[in-house]
Amino acid sequence: GAVVSQHPSRVICKSGTSVKIECRSLDFQATTMFWYRQFPKKSLMLMATSNEGSKATYEQGVEKDKFLINHASLTLSTLTVTSAHPEDSSFYICSARDYRGPEQYFGPGTRLTVT
Amino acid sequence: QKEVEQNSGPLSVPEGAIASLNCTYSDRGSQSFFWYRQYSGKSPELIMFIYSNGDKEDGRFTAQLNKASQYVSLLIRDSQPSDSATYLCAVNLNPGGGADGLTFGKGTHLIIQP
Repeated sequence: GAVVSQHPSRVICKSGTSVKIECRSLDFQATTMFWYRQFPKKSLMLMATSNEGSKATYEQGVEKDKFLINHASLTLSTLTVTSAHPEDSSFYICSARDYRGPEQYFGPGTRLTVT
Repeated sequence: QKEVEQNSGPLSVPEGAIASLNCTYSDRGSQSFFWYRQYSGKSPELIMFIYSNGDKEDGRFTAQLNKASQYVSLLIRDSQPSDSATYLCAVNLNPGGGADGLTFGKGTHLIIQP
Protein backbone atom coordinates (compact mmCIF):
# COMPACT_ATOMS: atom_id res chain seq x y z
CA GLY A 1 0.00 0.00 0.00
CA ALA A 2 0.83 3.74 0.03
CA VAL A 3 2.13 3.94 -3.51
CA VAL A 4 2.68 7.31 -5.13
CA SER A 5 3.49 7.68 -8.81
CA GLN A 6 4.92 10.58 -10.75
CA HIS A 7 4.96 11.28 -14.45
CA PRO A 8 7.15 11.92 -16.30
CA SER A 9 10.21 10.49 -14.59
CA ARG A 10 12.53 12.56 -16.69
CA VAL A 11 11.98 15.55 -18.95
CA ILE A 12 14.23 17.78 -21.00
CA CYS A 13 12.77 21.04 -22.25
CA LYS A 14 13.93 24.25 -23.83
CA SER A 15 14.19 27.48 -21.91
CA GLY A 16 10.93 29.41 -21.94
CA THR A 17 8.64 26.42 -22.27
CA SER A 18 6.31 25.02 -19.60
CA VAL A 19 6.39 21.55 -18.10
CA LYS A 20 3.63 19.74 -16.23
CA ILE A 21 4.40 17.04 -13.67
CA GLU A 22 1.69 14.73 -12.35
CA CYS A 23 1.61 13.12 -8.93
CA ARG A 24 -0.88 10.36 -8.15
CA SER A 25 -1.66 8.38 -5.04
CA LEU A 26 -2.51 4.92 -6.37
CA ASP A 27 -4.02 3.07 -3.43
CA PHE A 28 -5.15 5.74 -1.00
CA GLN A 29 -6.83 9.11 -0.99
CA ALA A 30 -4.34 11.88 -0.37
CA THR A 31 -5.89 14.67 1.64
CA THR A 32 -2.65 16.59 1.39
CA MET A 33 0.11 16.53 -1.18
CA PHE A 34 3.46 18.23 -0.97
CA TRP A 35 5.95 19.29 -3.63
CA TYR A 36 9.67 19.28 -2.92
CA ARG A 37 12.74 20.16 -4.94
CA GLN A 38 16.21 18.71 -4.53
CA PHE A 39 19.34 20.12 -6.12
CA PRO A 40 22.44 17.90 -6.47
CA LYS A 41 24.02 17.03 -3.13
CA LYS A 42 21.47 19.18 -1.32
CA SER A 43 18.56 18.39 0.91
CA LEU A 44 14.94 18.28 -0.11
CA MET A 45 13.31 21.69 0.11
CA LEU A 46 9.57 22.04 0.52
CA MET A 47 8.06 24.17 -2.22
CA ALA A 48 4.35 24.03 -1.48
CA THR A 49 1.55 22.21 0.25
CA SER A 50 -1.70 21.47 -1.51
CA ASN A 51 -5.01 20.29 -0.16
CA GLU A 52 -7.66 18.90 -2.44
CA GLY A 53 -9.99 21.59 -3.70
CA SER A 54 -8.15 24.55 -2.24
CA LYS A 55 -5.28 26.80 -3.24
CA ALA A 56 -1.77 25.65 -2.55
CA THR A 57 0.31 27.19 0.21
CA TYR A 58 3.75 28.17 -1.02
CA GLU A 59 6.92 28.36 1.01
CA GLN A 60 8.76 31.63 1.28
CA GLY A 61 10.79 32.35 -1.82
CA VAL A 62 8.79 30.05 -4.11
CA GLU A 63 6.99 31.97 -6.86
CA LYS A 64 3.39 30.84 -7.06
CA ASP A 65 2.96 32.24 -10.57
CA LYS A 66 5.93 30.26 -11.79
CA PHE A 67 5.13 26.98 -10.07
CA LEU A 68 1.43 26.36 -10.61
CA ILE A 69 -0.09 23.66 -8.44
CA ASN A 70 -3.47 22.07 -8.94
CA HIS A 71 -4.94 19.46 -6.60
CA ALA A 72 -8.16 18.69 -8.40
CA SER A 73 -8.92 15.33 -6.79
CA LEU A 74 -7.94 13.24 -3.81
CA THR A 75 -5.56 11.20 -5.94
CA LEU A 76 -4.00 13.75 -8.29
CA SER A 77 -1.89 16.86 -7.94
CA THR A 78 -0.03 18.59 -10.74
CA LEU A 79 2.91 20.97 -10.73
CA THR A 80 3.46 23.14 -13.78
CA VAL A 81 6.79 24.89 -14.15
CA THR A 82 6.02 27.87 -16.34
CA SER A 83 8.58 29.60 -18.55
CA ALA A 84 11.28 27.25 -17.35
CA HIS A 85 14.89 28.42 -17.16
CA PRO A 86 18.12 26.45 -16.70
CA GLU A 87 18.18 27.34 -13.00
CA ASP A 88 14.89 25.44 -12.62
CA SER A 89 16.69 22.22 -13.52
CA SER A 90 16.28 19.99 -10.49
CA PHE A 91 14.77 16.81 -9.07
CA TYR A 92 11.11 17.47 -8.27
CA ILE A 93 9.49 15.07 -5.84
CA CYS A 94 5.93 14.94 -4.60
CA SER A 95 4.68 13.30 -1.46
CA ALA A 96 1.22 12.42 -0.25
CA ARG A 97 -0.46 11.62 3.02
CA ASP A 98 -3.95 10.61 3.96
CA TYR A 99 -6.04 11.30 7.04
CA ARG A 100 -5.06 8.09 8.80
CA GLY A 101 -1.54 9.01 9.76
CA PRO A 102 1.37 11.41 9.63
CA GLU A 103 3.48 9.48 7.17
CA GLN A 104 4.33 11.11 3.88
CA TYR A 105 4.98 8.76 1.00
CA PHE A 106 7.13 10.01 -1.80
CA GLY A 107 6.75 9.58 -5.50
CA PRO A 108 9.76 8.44 -7.54
CA GLY A 109 10.58 11.98 -8.60
CA THR A 110 10.88 13.86 -11.87
CA ARG A 111 14.26 14.99 -13.10
CA LEU A 112 13.84 18.23 -15.04
CA THR A 113 16.58 19.54 -17.30
CA VAL A 114 16.08 22.90 -18.95
CA THR A 115 18.42 23.63 -21.83
CA GLN B 1 13.97 29.44 10.84
CA LYS B 2 13.56 25.71 11.10
CA GLU B 3 16.84 23.84 10.81
CA VAL B 4 17.71 20.19 10.88
CA GLU B 5 21.37 19.26 11.20
CA GLN B 6 23.04 16.01 10.28
CA ASN B 7 26.66 15.00 9.85
CA SER B 8 27.05 14.50 6.10
CA GLY B 9 29.58 11.67 6.54
CA PRO B 10 30.46 9.39 4.98
CA LEU B 11 29.93 7.12 7.94
CA SER B 12 31.62 3.79 7.35
CA VAL B 13 30.44 0.75 9.35
CA PRO B 14 31.48 -2.90 8.99
CA GLU B 15 28.83 -5.38 7.95
CA GLY B 16 26.97 -6.83 10.92
CA ALA B 17 27.75 -3.91 13.22
CA ILE B 18 25.39 -1.24 14.53
CA ALA B 19 25.17 1.97 12.54
CA SER B 20 24.25 5.06 14.56
CA LEU B 21 22.89 8.13 12.78
CA ASN B 22 22.27 11.39 14.58
CA CYS B 23 20.17 14.48 13.98
CA THR B 24 19.53 17.72 15.85
CA TYR B 25 16.79 20.24 15.21
CA SER B 26 16.40 23.88 16.09
CA ASP B 27 12.66 24.34 16.49
CA ARG B 28 11.64 23.29 19.98
CA GLY B 29 8.03 23.17 18.81
CA SER B 30 8.73 20.25 16.47
CA GLN B 31 6.38 17.41 17.23
CA SER B 32 7.00 14.54 14.84
CA PHE B 33 10.22 13.13 13.49
CA PHE B 34 10.91 10.95 10.51
CA TRP B 35 13.77 8.94 9.10
CA TYR B 36 13.97 8.35 5.36
CA ARG B 37 16.46 6.41 3.29
CA GLN B 38 17.47 7.74 -0.12
CA TYR B 39 19.49 5.84 -2.68
CA SER B 40 21.43 7.84 -5.24
CA GLY B 41 19.12 9.26 -7.90
CA LYS B 42 16.00 7.95 -6.18
CA SER B 43 13.33 9.51 -3.99
CA PRO B 44 13.19 9.01 -0.21
CA GLU B 45 11.71 5.88 1.34
CA LEU B 46 10.14 6.12 4.78
CA ILE B 47 11.87 4.01 7.43
CA MET B 48 9.97 5.08 10.52
CA PHE B 49 8.64 7.98 12.52
CA ILE B 50 8.56 8.84 16.20
CA TYR B 51 6.58 11.28 18.35
CA SER B 52 7.38 10.52 21.95
CA ASN B 53 10.56 10.66 23.95
CA GLY B 54 12.33 7.34 24.19
CA ASP B 55 12.91 4.49 21.81
CA LYS B 56 10.79 3.02 19.05
CA GLU B 57 11.82 -0.23 17.43
CA ASP B 58 10.86 -1.65 14.04
CA GLY B 59 12.80 -4.71 12.95
CA ARG B 60 16.49 -3.84 12.70
CA PHE B 61 15.77 -0.14 13.14
CA THR B 62 15.41 1.80 16.37
CA ALA B 63 14.58 5.50 16.50
CA GLN B 64 15.44 7.45 19.63
CA LEU B 65 14.02 10.84 20.54
CA ASN B 66 15.10 13.29 23.22
CA LYS B 67 13.03 16.44 22.97
CA ALA B 68 14.83 18.17 25.83
CA SER B 69 18.10 17.88 23.92
CA GLN B 70 16.37 18.37 20.55
CA TYR B 71 18.03 15.23 19.33
CA VAL B 72 16.82 12.26 17.35
CA SER B 73 18.81 9.24 16.25
CA LEU B 74 18.46 6.08 14.20
CA LEU B 75 20.19 2.82 15.01
CA ILE B 76 20.53 0.10 12.42
CA ARG B 77 21.41 -3.30 13.86
CA ASP B 78 23.11 -6.07 11.90
CA SER B 79 24.01 -3.63 9.13
CA GLN B 80 23.93 -5.01 5.60
CA PRO B 81 25.62 -3.69 2.44
CA SER B 82 22.13 -2.94 1.09
CA ASP B 83 21.74 -0.42 3.92
CA SER B 84 24.35 1.76 2.23
CA ALA B 85 22.47 4.94 1.33
CA THR B 86 21.87 8.50 2.46
CA TYR B 87 19.70 8.73 5.56
CA LEU B 88 17.53 11.81 5.86
CA CYS B 89 16.15 13.13 9.11
CA ALA B 90 12.97 15.19 8.81
CA VAL B 91 10.85 17.07 11.32
CA ASN B 92 7.34 18.43 11.37
CA LEU B 93 5.69 21.00 13.62
CA ASN B 94 2.31 19.33 13.45
CA PRO B 95 1.86 16.37 15.80
CA GLY B 96 -0.24 14.69 13.18
CA GLY B 97 2.41 15.42 10.61
CA GLY B 98 -0.15 16.88 8.30
CA ALA B 99 -0.52 20.60 7.90
CA ASP B 100 3.14 21.41 7.48
CA GLY B 101 5.50 19.80 5.07
CA LEU B 102 8.68 18.26 6.32
CA THR B 103 11.92 20.08 6.99
CA PHE B 104 14.80 17.84 5.97
CA GLY B 105 18.40 17.64 7.03
CA LYS B 106 21.05 17.27 4.35
CA GLY B 107 21.42 13.60 5.12
CA THR B 108 24.18 11.28 6.30
CA HIS B 109 25.86 9.09 3.73
CA LEU B 110 26.22 5.60 5.24
CA ILE B 111 28.57 2.99 3.82
CA ILE B 112 28.40 -0.60 5.05
CA GLN B 113 31.66 -2.35 4.35
CA PRO B 114 31.35 -6.07 3.47
